[in-house]
Amino acid sequence: EVQLLESGGGLVQPGGSLRVSCVVSGFTFNNYPMSWVRQAPGKGLEWVSGISGSGITTNYGDSVRGRFTISRDNSRSTLYLQMNSLRAEDTAVYFCATGWNAHDYWGQGTLVTVSS
Amino acid sequence: DIQMTQSPSTLSASVGDRVTITCRASQSIGGWLAWYQQKPGKAPNLLIYKASSLDSGVPSRFSGSGSGTEFTLTISSLQPDDFATYYCQQYNSNPRTFGQGTKVEIK
Repeated sequence: EVQLLESGGGLVQPGGSLRVSCVVSGFTFNNYPMSWVRQAPGKGLEWVSGISGSGITTNYGDSVRGRFTISRDNSRSTLYLQMNSLRAEDTAVYFCATGWNAHDYWGQGTLVTVSS
Repeated sequence: DIQMTQSPSTLSASVGDRVTITCRASQSIGGWLAWYQQKPGKAPNLLIYKASSLDSGVPSRFSGSGSGTEFTLTISSLQPDDFATYYCQQYNSNPRTFGQGTKVEIK
C-alpha cells in the first residue's frame, strides 16, 4: 500500500524558515518524481514545486521561486521542502504528491502557519 | 505561466443529474490535463489523467474529454458521494497550474 506521511508543519514568524518532510512507503521512491502542492485556508490548490526521481531536476511556482528549495533523500524515501523568508501568504496545508504530472497519490498534508 | 479557468465556480445539482464542468487553458496544453475531486479536510483524489483516461478505481460515471484549450469533466448520474470540489490541472509545462475549483452542491 502506497503511503505518504508529511511532518514538520507548525507556527513560524514572518521572515522565518521551516522544513517540511514527506516519508514515502509502498513503492520504489527513487524511480518517481515528486511534488509539493499547497492549499491556503478556504482556497484552491496551488502547485509549489516538483523534483525528478534522481533529484537533479527541480522546478518551482512563481510565488515561491528563490525562497523555497525542494530536495529528496532516496536512501530514506523522504521528500523535503525547505521554506525560507516565509510570508503570511505562505500559510497553507502542504501536501506531498507522487509524480510531476497527474498526481495519483497524496499525503494527508501538514499545516504551516506564518504569523507573528 | 498557463492560466486555467474553470466554470462554473459553484454548481447546484440533485442526485441523478448529469453534471458538466468546463476547464479552459490560456494556451494549448494538448491533452495534458488531470481532474481531481476533493472533499473537506481531505487530500485531492485523482479522477482523470491525460484528459480522458479514468484513474484506477474511479467509477465509470466520471468521464473527461477535450484537447488543446477546452476540456470537460462529466458526471453522468450524480451520486451522494460526488458532492465535493473539483479541480483541473495542466501538466503540459512548468509551473504546473490548477483551476480555481468548482464546488458541486446539493440542490
